[in-house]
Amino acid sequence: DSGVTQTPKHLITATGQRVTLRCSPRSGDLSVYWYQQSLDQGLQFLIQYYNGEERAKGNILERFSAQQFPDLHSELNLSSLELGDSALYFCASSVSGGEGREQYFGPGTRLTVT
Amino acid sequence: GEDVEQSLFLSVREGDSSVINCTYTDSSSTYLYWYKQEPGAGLQLLTYIFSNMDMKQDQRLTVLLNKKDKHLSLRIADTQTGDSAIYFCAEDTGRRALTFGSGTRLQVQP
Repeated sequence: DSGVTQTPKHLITATGQRVTLRCSPRSGDLSVYWYQQSLDQGLQFLIQYYNGEERAKGNILERFSAQQFPDLHSELNLSSLELGDSALYFCASSVSGGEGREQYFGPGTRLTVT
Repeated sequence: GEDVEQSLFLSVREGDSSVINCTYTDSSSTYLYWYKQEPGAGLQLLTYIFSNMDMKQDQRLTVLLNKKDKHLSLRIADTQTGDSAIYFCAEDTGRRALTFGSGTRLQVQP
């Protein structure tokens, strides 16, 4: 158990809908990262927050957004969902936002868009 | 550019050593990581190595880094059936996100 929690574990929804994925980092970690894992794209970095502020952006679509709240939990919002958005979404956390910090991953949320 | 490559599959017999290889292209990588993913689970951090090191040993795991060739390897001694999983290498270039390889599926045969 990494100490990072994600809810829900599974989510099934229809195209065009909007969903929110939630992540709670390990106690004491200030940085949260979101990754998408799919069969064709592999594991791709989406976005990072550090202590409530956006720190880095990766291959995140405009239909997707995220935020980190004062209690440090984070939410990833996915809207206008398409079939291709079906994937595993992971959240990871680390103590700081800089390099050389181990990232600890949550168990993931499996999103299925039908 | 950033690119991390791994072979897709490795099969070994229980008790043998496994060697999983990874190549990366960004010479500014400062930390390199190995993660393990079991079916239906998240990624578990196994070990990491700082770029000024050549080798790091942690129980059954040995990480070798050849900076000149940008080659990283993970050796698992006395491989067990519980080691069957997908292993990902990842590089940290200081851009605050990890770049992952495509993963190597390790199959351990009894």
